[in-house]
Amino acid sequence: GEEVAQTPKHLVRGEGQKAKLYCAPIKGHSYVFWYQQVLKNEFKFLISFQNENVFDETGMPKERFSAKCLPNSPCSLEIQATKLEDSAVYFCASSQTGVSGNTIYFGEGSWLTVV
Amino acid sequence: QQQVKQSPQSLIVQKGGISIINCAYENTAFDYFPWYQQFPGKGPALLIAIRPDVSEKKEGRFTISFNKSAKQFSLHIMDSQPGDSATYFCAPRGSNDYKLSFGAGTTVTVRA
Repeated sequence: GEEVAQTPKHLVRGEGQKAKLYCAPIKGHSYVFWYQQVLKNEFKFLISFQNENVFDETGMPKERFSAKCLPNSPCSLEIQATKLEDSAVYFCASSQTGVSGNTIYFGEGSWLTVV
Repeated sequence: QQQVKQSPQSLIVQKGGISIINCAYENTAFDYFPWYQQFPGKGPALLIAIRPDVSEKKEGRFTISFNKSAKQFSLHIMDSQPGDSATYFCAPRGSNDYKLSFGAGTTVTVRA
């Protein structure tokens, strides 16, 4: 597709429940990024993939967060045992290559509310 | 360690006025300097970007000025319009890890 597609748009989970978010990058893009936006503005990098391989996971809270990008499937971000502080908008983004000049395109985000 | 400092946090400008947003960075590995625009409920979208080998780039009403020695770059919005009301983020990108490092954002309100 011509846009980064994220589902669901909104998700409500009770504390301790699992949350799973999905992302279909733009067709032909080999890099996928996940960001968390909290407090309306602050963006935190979580993880990036080059095709199905993890490229950079320095932002991932590994004890509860996991992510995958498998061939012929949407990428996913899963949060086990959600906490109140996980409430945020999660953005997926993709770029054609990793070269710095390549535009990174963002989806519209998945809004996770943990109650 | 905060790598990217953006200011101001918010600004209000009259229609037709100039909006100026500044970004200072520390990481010398950054080699691509974009500004993203975000409307409420939407994802950020690339507005304009500059490479470090030029000092200024203009696209329509939007201009980036880049000062490599000072490690600063700024966004100028000329003839501001109500439709420019949005949050703007500087988000320099590294040559080694490819990810964007976002500033804290500037909420611009253009009054008609």
